[in-house]
Amino acid sequence: ETGVTQTPRHLVMGMTNKKSLKCEQHLGHNAMYWYKQSAKKPLELMFVYNFKEQTENNSVPSRFSPECPNSSHLFLHLHTLQPEDSALYLCASCQGTSGYNEQFFGPGTRLTVL
Amino acid sequence: DAKTTQPTSMDCAEGRAANLPCNHSTISGNEYVYWYRQIHSQGPQYIIHGLKNNETNEMASLIITEDRKSSTLILPHATLRDTAVYYCIVIVYGGSQGNLIFGKGTKLSVKP
Repeated sequence: ETGVTQTPRHLVMGMTNKKSLKCEQHLGHNAMYWYKQSAKKPLELMFVYNFKEQTENNSVPSRFSPECPNSSHLFLHLHTLQPEDSALYLCASCQGTSGYNEQFFGPGTRLTVL
Repeated sequence: DAKTTQPTSMDCAEGRAANLPCNHSTISGNEYVYWYRQIHSQGPQYIIHGLKNNETNEMASLIITEDRKSSTLILPHATLRDTAVYYCIVIVYGGSQGNLIFGKGTKLSVKP
């Protein structure tokens, strides 16, 4: 266990559905991240939040909408997704407002878009 | 793009040392070398990091060449549970908030 939990672990949705992914960290960290890992591709950074403020949006399509209500919780709201959005979505957290610190990853949500 | 080059895959016999190389010839003076691994269908796991001195922890050792253009991650006694993709990443320590750039990594297969 890394102290970062993600729910659900698996999700199947149609292209017209709206769903949300949840991430929670129990480590007291102040930065949280969303990554996407498609089949046979490297992990791609999507969003970064620091003290609830979004500090990075890596040119992610608007059908992905992040929300960070507090430093312990991070959501990824999904709507009108495409089949190519099927992937493993990973959440991570780390401590520190500046500089790099080790990131702790959750187990991921395996998303399938039909 | 990732700033590192790693072999696509490696095999290692169980109980033997696994030595995973990484080239980072364009590394800057303020960039650290970090290693993560990802066991199948799980999130990446931090292993170790270093700047220029060799480092050791309970999981692995990191050997960085004197010119810092390459490094080797050593798992001293590999087990079947060490089968994973290993990522070598260079990143500025003290720079912008930890934006890891993952490459394709090395798929290590530990065999009985």
